[in-house]
Amino acid sequence: GESVGLHLPTLSVQEGDNSIINCAYSNSASDYFIWYKQESGKGPQFIIDIRSNMDKRQGQRVTVLLNKTVKHLSLQIAATQPGDSAVYFCAEKSGGGADGLTFGKGTHLIIQP
Amino acid sequence: EPEVTQTPSHQVTQMGQEVILRCVPISNHLYFYWYRQILGQKVEFLVSFYNNEISEKSEIFDDQFSVERPDGSNFTLKIRSTKLEDSAMYFCASSELGGIQPQHFGDGTRLSIL
Repeated sequence: GESVGLHLPTLSVQEGDNSIINCAYSNSASDYFIWYKQESGKGPQFIIDIRSNMDKRQGQRVTVLLNKTVKHLSLQIAATQPGDSAVYFCAEKSGGGADGLTFGKGTHLIIQP
Repeated sequence: EPEVTQTPSHQVTQMGQEVILRCVPISNHLYFYWYRQILGQKVEFLVSFYNNEISEKSEIFDDQFSVERPDGSNFTLKIRSTKLEDSAMYFCASSELGGIQPQHFGDGTRLSIL
């Protein structure tokens, strides 16, 4: 559901477990998607991206899955560590050029020791 | 690793005053962006800049705002006649190319309007 103001969706996982963060997007014309991590007092940090001609992409400990049929994006983080605690945003963009990114509302990931 | 740098980290200004937020994008990047994030909310696009002119802008980016690349390294956002609701984090980003390229963000300037 929607979150307003300070009430971000929160996901709490045990250190070492895998986590999955989900994002729904609305623009069916979007063809490029990025996951960002934002720690307190810092700017969004690029994690991984995926183009619309792919449905899965893997990085180091992270995997992004794209389901264009239902306009859904997910970020899987394997073997979570305390440093993974942050707010995670998905962002989307359509077309080339210098269009800005449209960010989702964010999910607060908390890693429990 | 090259990074986007922003100054100042925190700016406090009286309502009605003008502010200039500064950014140094990554050196080989050609596209520059400004975003804002009101406390606890999502990041919102303001404007993009390429080849010394504005490429795209959002509805937020009205006549109160302007951007400039005064020299070969800096990229600035000017906010004239600031309002209380301009209080937010302002992030600069840059990308090597436009289109399907990741945008890399600075750590932002926290703007507080009193």
